[in-house]
Amino acid sequence: TQLLEQSPQFLSIQEGENLTVYCNSSSVFSSLQWYRQEPGEGPVLLVTVVTGGEVKKLKRLTFQFGDARKDSSLHITAAQPGDTGLYLCAGAGGAGGTSYGKLTFGQGTILTVHP
Amino acid sequence: NAGVTQTPKFQVLKTGQSMTLQCAQDMNHEYMSWYRQDPGMGLRLIHYSVGAGITDQGEVPNGYNVSRSTTEDFPLRLLSAAPSQTSVYFCASSYSFGLYEKLFFGSGTQLSVL
Repeated sequence: TQLLEQSPQFLSIQEGENLTVYCNSSSVFSSLQWYRQEPGEGPVLLVTVVTGGEVKKLKRLTFQFGDARKDSSLHITAAQPGDTGLYLCAGAGGAGGTSYGKLTFGQGTILTVHP
Repeated sequence: NAGVTQTPKFQVLKTGQSMTLQCAQDMNHEYMSWYRQDPGMGLRLIHYSVGAGITDQGEVPNGYNVSRSTTEDFPLRLLSAAPSQTSVYFCASSYSFGLYEKLFFGSGTQLSVL
């Protein structure tokens, strides 16, 4: 069974601060996804990383996939109250490329950004 | 643009009752899946389907049944509800291109079993 350990579980910061969320596993994943979830809604995909060492940027969010494809991080620069939400990492381990919708999720990080 | 539609939004059951959570997608996606979300545990896969007539178990399948007679619909059945099945349930449909896969989630069903 593949496991993803996500940390920290809770993060409470002031507007303008930087933060990093980590996602670690002992297993290799073919790709790693990051989702954001608002209360009462389903997760929404932010980014997918597929190559070891890959870095992707989405405005103030930077996503990195570890060289060995076992870990990933999400860094937010100058956080804003609108960044508040639950952030989830998810790994896809399909040998043939696709996981057919079968993802392994981390426990999630609840981020609160205070004005 | 409906996407993935789940009904009902909220449900309260008594132990031993059965019910079906409905899920429909209008994006013609091949793959559909059911997850449950519990506090501090992320989402865990219950069952998934790679096409009409084809389903398989995920990580936590016990107590749940699924079927997929059409591409659009993927209902989840609770056979005899137990308090341990109190959770938020999410249905997702997805497509892939190479290693890139995108899941679209419904807005969830919050289930309480008393």
